[in-house]
Amino acid sequence: LAKTTQPISMDSYEGQEVNITCSHNNIATNDYITWYQQFPSQGPRFIIQGYKTKVTNEVASLFIPADRKSSTLSLPRVSLSDTAVYYCLVGSALNAGNMLTFGGGTRLMVKP
Amino acid sequence: GAGVSQTPSNKVTEKGKYVELRCDPISGHTALYWYRQSLGQGPEFLIYFQGTGAADDSGLPNDRFFAVRPEGSVSTLKIQRTERGDSAVYLCASSPVSYSLTGELFFGEGSRLTVL
Repeated sequence: LAKTTQPISMDSYEGQEVNITCSHNNIATNDYITWYQQFPSQGPRFIIQGYKTKVTNEVASLFIPADRKSSTLSLPRVSLSDTAVYYCLVGSALNAGNMLTFGGGTRLMVKP
Repeated sequence: GAGVSQTPSNKVTEKGKYVELRCDPISGHTALYWYRQSLGQGPEFLIYFQGTGAADDSGLPNDRFFAVRPEGSVSTLKIQRTERGDSAVYLCASSPVSYSLTGELFFGEGSRLTVL
């Protein structure tokens, strides 16, 4: 199974850009990289997904280098409401178990 | 409904009792997933349904856990002879197609199970 490694926690301040990096050294050719956000007492919420290079949506950007062994979720100008746990998942439609495996996540604390 | 609905939101039971947790997915979503989340941990995959059949049940921890989805919509997670270690939040998610490359799962708010 493709395993992911993320920092356990990060602190930031309002208005700053936050970058959370995920390592996935044994990512497979068919694997996609997906990020979820989870607030306390809620289920995870999809943020962004990518395969290579850069993906951007209204919430975040995802940077994936050429070797795809890591990825970086970038949150522009965070606010207090971005305080949450962020999960990186790696997997493909060819192996649903990988696609569906959450790690420990990164606890982001945004301070005023 | 607008989102994934899970009932009950909270369930307290005694060790050894039988428990059922219900998930009502987003209308039209063919894929349904159950996860278990312990305090401070990421969600742990339990089982995945495509339609009425369990496509992947490799995450079920033992034979006390069972899930059904008889009509391809609502699903019930059943736990027999509950143990204190079963205490967790049980999350349900659905997605519109099977083996979706978008990987976007829509989660409910979970059912918190406490086994005394």
